Amino acid sequence: DAGITQSPRHKVTETGTPVTLRCHQTENHRYMYWYRQDPGHGLRLIHYSYGVKDTDKGEVSDGYSVSRSKTEDFLLTLESATSSQTSVYFCAIRGQGPYGYTFGSGTRLTVV
Amino acid sequence: QQQVKQSPQSLIVQKGGISIINCAYENTAFDYFPWYQQFPGKGPALLIAIRPDVSEKKEGRFTISFNKSAKQFSLHIMDSQPGDSATYFCAASRGNTPLVFGKGTRLSVIA
Repeated sequence: DAGITQSPRHKVTETGTPVTLRCHQTENHRYMYWYRQDPGHGLRLIHYSYGVKDTDKGEVSDGYSVSRSKTEDFLLTLESATSSQTSVYFCAIRGQGPYGYTFGSGTRLTVV
Repeated sequence: QQQVKQSPQSLIVQKGGISIINCAYENTAFDYFPWYQQFPGKGPALLIAIRPDVSEKKEGRFTISFNKSAKQFSLHIMDSQPGDSATYFCAASRGNTPLVFGKGTRLSVIA
């Protein structure tokens, strides 16, 4: 998607290992979000950021941490991956005003 | 507590028919109601959105109907086409708070 990229696109990791997912934007947008998508649950908010070094928890934040040291990058870290964190992770960005989100293409994470 | 309830979970519609997806919300402070469309392997993309000061918004074959008193809003897809087959999510937010999403509806349009 234009202006937002997620990496990696796919990852398989072992239980107990730390994992970091990256979201990079070129739109200079203030707001960035991490959601996870699971069958039957839709999109659930993990963490979000409203500026550099400004972050807050979402609905399903346990086991996850985030960092935003630059406007363009928002990192999601699974401190010690568990099988319940197997999911598709989406990053989204939003500019000021009543605009919709632009989502990245997602990262499919499998924890074995 | 689920803030936005979406139904049905799945929907099969004949080509040329009308697809209707419904959402209900609890928080009367919500002031922005978008719909997203997601194709397999892709991220959701904004389809159409409405604010509570209007009862209907139309963009091409897609229409949002909004009922503030009932705390419900719905997506209508007229003349549904196989290319409309996707998962649709409703969502809601208040001010700068993050969007809360429904659980999604998988639409299949068959010829």
